[in-house]
Amino acid sequence: GNSVTQMEGPVTLSEEAFLTINCTYTATGYPSLFWYVQYPGEGLQLLLKATKADDKGSNKGFEATYRKETTSFHLEKGSVQVSDSAVYFCALRGYPSNTGKLIFGQGTTLQVKP
Amino acid sequence: NAGVTQTPKFQVLKTGQSMTLQCAQDMNHEYMSWYRQDPGMGLRLIHYSVGAGITDQGEVPNGYNVSRSTTEDFPLRLLSAAPSQTSVYFCASSLDSGGARDLTDTQYFGPGTRLTVL
Repeated sequence: GNSVTQMEGPVTLSEEAFLTINCTYTATGYPSLFWYVQYPGEGLQLLLKATKADDKGSNKGFEATYRKETTSFHLEKGSVQVSDSAVYFCALRGYPSNTGKLIFGQGTTLQVKP
Repeated sequence: NAGVTQTPKFQVLKTGQSMTLQCAQDMNHEYMSWYRQDPGMGLRLIHYSVGAGITDQGEVPNGYNVSRSTTEDFPLRLLSAAPSQTSVYFCASSLDSGGARDLTDTQYFGPGTRLTVL
């Protein structure tokens, strides 16, 4: 079945450091891929998405490229801020989807120190 | 738009009690779903609905019931609470279930309900 694997956290960085959070997936066909962010005490917010191979999703300085050859969707940001401290979830949705089910990774906690 | 709203934010139950977690959305979304979030396990799908009057089971449905009498509301019922149901519960909605590869399959999440069963 479909699955998502994320790098284990927590990840601790200094402000302005470069961020990479690895995400790989297993799926048949051509899933859509997502990164969601959860700030402390809040629900999940969509950060970015990509729906086909070589698509790059981007938002708020974060980027991720849909790599079908390596089945990966790694999240990157060139210069993190303290306000980026949160839990990041990689997710996929099979295509076509009758259930709408999102398959989530276990989440990676990012802590950015001043 | 208020988006997706959930009540209550926090709840403590005793084993065997029943309760209903409320979820509502004002975006006219056809698709709604319930997830539970447990440490180290990400989110897992409990139940989902592709439209009013239609519901189906997700990955971890045991101990939960749902109904969808209107497009806006999708309550989750715990029939007889157990400590294993201690979790954070999220409701989500999207325009549809993902048949089209565009914004229609983007899911919007509520703020969550933190449930503790003693």
